[in-house]
Amino acid sequence: QSALTQPASVSGSPGQSITISCTGTSSDVGAYNYVSWYQQHPGKAPKLMIYDVTDRPSGVSHRFSGSKSGNTASLTISGLQAEDEADYYCTSYTTSNTYVFGTGTEVTVL
Amino acid sequence: QLQLQESGPGLVKPSGTLSLTCTVSGDSISSINWWNWVRQPPGKGLEWIGEIHHSGSTNHNPSLKSRVTISVDKSKNQFSLKLSSVTAADTAVYYCASTSYYRVDYWGQGTRVTVSS
Repeated sequence: QSALTQPASVSGSPGQSITISCTGTSSDVGAYNYVSWYQQHPGKAPKLMIYDVTDRPSGVSHRFSGSKSGNTASLTISGLQAEDEADYYCTSYTTSNTYVFGTGTEVTVL
Repeated sequence: QLQLQESGPGLVKPSGTLSLTCTVSGDSISSINWWNWVRQPPGKGLEWIGEIHHSGSTNHNPSLKSRVTISVDKSKNQFSLKLSSVTAADTAVYYCASTSYYRVDYWGQGTRVTVSS
């Protein structure tokens, strides 16, 4: 299975909105609504930010939102803050009963 | 609150077998969750290794399947990873994690494993 494709880096100024894409295939992203997004700060374990394409776990800011169209899922961060600077990974359940992660995106707050 | 803690050697010799254990607390390993291993090579992205259910059912990353064994010890509330024939490319931080309803919701803190002679 091939990793889902994400842009290597995305940047924005404080207060702006940014969107990170996650492109897969009809065997993963396009097959189910089981796309999740994770935030990872340096030296830390990943943190679940979005699950089932659009849902936020309790405690995650409403500034984070997710969507999907066909084989591409997206994470949008609104009102960008300095604390949002981190690496972000998508993941999807696949038709082979496995999980596949995205290549990862480094978010920089200018 | 579910907590997971990895343990095992931090250094493994090339061609040897990497062995890690994850201790689960705050929930029974016989719950609905699946128990996963994920790794992250230095400076690189996350890679899903595989998962096990308390029933013994497993799923694996096809690229690693021939070298991976995941097992569960219900009496100790633990699950384990064995990765055989390791090379320098297997050097990584290894995380244990739980999935429920198709999302990885809890992670261990990670343990660094280096493959070197």
